[in-house]
Amino acid sequence: ETGVTQTPRHLVMGMTNKKSLKCEQHLGHNAMYWYKQSAKKPLELMFVYSLEERVENNSVPSRFSPECPNSSHLFLHLHTLQPEDSALYLCASSQERTGGLGTQYFGPGTRLTVL
Amino acid sequence: SQQGEEDPQALSIQEGENATMNCSYKTSINNLQWYRQNSGRGLVHLILIRSNEREKHSGRLRVTLDTSKKSSSLLITASRAADTASYFCAAANQAGTALIFGKGTTLSVSS
Repeated sequence: ETGVTQTPRHLVMGMTNKKSLKCEQHLGHNAMYWYKQSAKKPLELMFVYSLEERVENNSVPSRFSPECPNSSHLFLHLHTLQPEDSALYLCASSQERTGGLGTQYFGPGTRLTVL
Repeated sequence: SQQGEEDPQALSIQEGENATMNCSYKTSINNLQWYRQNSGRGLVHLILIRSNEREKHSGRLRVTLDTSKKSSSLLITASRAADTASYFCAAANQAGTALIFGKGTTLSVSS
């Protein structure tokens, strides 16, 4: 266990549904991240929160909406997704407030399937 | 743009053999990290090597960094079936503000 939990682990949703992914870190870290992992593609950074403030949004479509209510919790709200959004969504956290200076700790991921 | 790029894409070896994976990157870095991912799971950090370091060891892992060639290698010695996983390099930009992952090398170790 890395100290980062994600729920649900698996999610199947239709294109008109609204759902949320939840991430919680028990490490006292200062930064949290959402990544998308699709088959045969590099890990794509979606959002970065540092001390609960969004510091990066990598041109992610507005159908993905992040929320960071406190330093331990991170949500990804999903609505009107497309089948190409099916992927493994990974949450990570780090002690450092910037993404590259130290180790990132990953959760187990949510396997999302959009029908 | 993709910062880290691993080679080979896939590697199959027998237990007890050594496995070497390479990573190339494009721009100056603050550090380079290696992560491991078991099928469908999250990534686990293995080792971080800073730009002013040339070699680092952790158990059966040995990582080298050649900043003049913009490349790194991960060596796993005396491999075990449990080492079967995907291995990713991730290069941190010089300011340390971003970590960019490669596509990974899939390692299969058969007993």
